[in-house]
Amino acid sequence: AQSVTQPDIHITVSEGASLELRCNYSYGATPYLFWYVQSPGQGLQLLLKYFSGDTLVQGIKGFEAEFKRSQSSFNLRKPSVHWSDAAEYFCAVGAETGRRALTFGSGTRLQVQP
Amino acid sequence: KAGVTQTPRYLIKTRGQQVTLSCSPISGHRSVSWYQQTPGQGLQFLFEYFSETQRNKGNFPGRFSGRQFSNSRSEMNVSTLELGDSALYLCASSKRSGSGLEQYFGPGTRLTVT
Repeated sequence: AQSVTQPDIHITVSEGASLELRCNYSYGATPYLFWYVQSPGQGLQLLLKYFSGDTLVQGIKGFEAEFKRSQSSFNLRKPSVHWSDAAEYFCAVGAETGRRALTFGSGTRLQVQP
Repeated sequence: KAGVTQTPRYLIKTRGQQVTLSCSPISGHRSVSWYQQTPGQGLQFLFEYFSETQRNKGNFPGRFSGRQFSNSRSEMNVSTLELGDSALYLCASSKRSGSGLEQYFGPGTRLTVT
């Protein structure tokens, strides 16, 4: 069965500092990988996705993620964090085409210090 | 383009009652998936509907059911509510073809069971 691990429950960074959120997945075949962000009381917003091809993917709001098959990782990065980035971030893995059952990690809550 | 809409946004029910939640997908999206989000269990997949047929089902009891209409709108129903059903219920839509593997989430329905 597929699974996703986000080892960091809570991260605090200073505004303007760089950010890296970790995500490790377990899936037998080529995974479909996603990062979502959730602000308090809101639904999930898709930041970026990886299906195939270039292992470095760009998303919205200045985020990027790198797929590393050898490490089963899909870490999210941002070079300079803004106060508005404070939210909860979820990594998710999807199965092959035709199945929409995403498996989510437990999330990482990001706090941004002024 | 309008996003995924969910109604109602908030709901308070009593144990033993039943509840119906509604989801309208993004125009042109034909797949609708439902997820339950709780502090203890995180985000869990409930089921997916496509062309008015349930295509995938998560590991939830039969009290949780859903349906999809010809206009792709979907409803989920929970019968005989239990306290543990208190959660944020999220609906997501996707194209379910070609590059449409990513899911777009609505704001959710916050269900409180007392």
